[in-house]
Amino acid sequence: AQSVAQPEDQVNVAEGNPLTVKCTYSVSGNPYLFWYVQYPNRGLQFLLKYITGDNLVKGSYGFEAEFNKSQTSFHLKKPSALVSDSALYFCAVSRRYNAGNMLTFGGGTRLMVKP
Amino acid sequence: NAGVTQTPKFRVLKTGQSMTLLCAQDMNHEYMYWYRQDPGMGLRLIHYSVGEGTTAKGEVPDGYNVSRLKKQNFLLGLESAAPSQTSVYFCASSWGTARSTEAFFGQGTRLTVV
Repeated sequence: AQSVAQPEDQVNVAEGNPLTVKCTYSVSGNPYLFWYVQYPNRGLQFLLKYITGDNLVKGSYGFEAEFNKSQTSFHLKKPSALVSDSALYFCAVSRRYNAGNMLTFGGGTRLMVKP
Repeated sequence: NAGVTQTPKFRVLKTGQSMTLLCAQDMNHEYMYWYRQDPGMGLRLIHYSVGEGTTAKGEVPDGYNVSRLKKQNFLLGLESAAPSQTSVYFCASSWGTARSTEAFFGQGTRLTVV
C-alpha cells in the first residue's frame, strides 16, 4: 500500500517570502513523486516530478522540490512567493513498475500568499 | 489541443437515478483514470484502465462502473446514485511509461445527488 501525508491544511506566506509545502510518503520500493496545483474550479495541473537522479527537481512557475529518501519527504519550495501562487497543492506518489501507475494523493494544502 | 475533456461539467441527480460521465482525451494515452475529490481527502481512485477494452478497480469502486470501448474514451457510470456520491469527479490520462508518468486531468464534473 502507498500513502501520502500533507501535514498542513493551509500555509500562509507573505508575497516575496520563501514558501515550503510539506509532503511525506510511504511506498514499498522506489517511488515516483509528483506535485500538482489546483486553481478554483479547475482540474489539477502538473508542476513537477521526481523519477530518479538528482534529488532537487525543478518545475513550472519557479517551483522546486527536494526528494529526501531517508526522511521519505518531498517538500515543495519556491524562493519568492507570488499572490498568484495561491491555490490548492497536492502531493502524489506512485510506485515504480506499478502496472497502471496509479497515483495516491495527499489531502492537499491550501497556499495563501498575502500581498 | 483539447487534452482531457469531461462532460457534463455540472449535474444534479435525484437519489436512485443513473447517469454516465464521459471522458475524452486526444493525446493517444494508454492509461486513463477516474478520481473523486472530497474536501480534506485529496483525490481517490475509483477505476482505471491500462488500455482499450481493459478496466480495473481502484480504491473506492463501489457504486460505479466503467467502460473503455475506445482508446480515447473512458466512461464512468452510476447505476443508482446515492447522496454519498456527491463529489467532484476528475478524469485523467497518462502515457504510463517509466519516464513519462505524469497524469493530465480534465476540469472536473461537479455532481450533486439529492
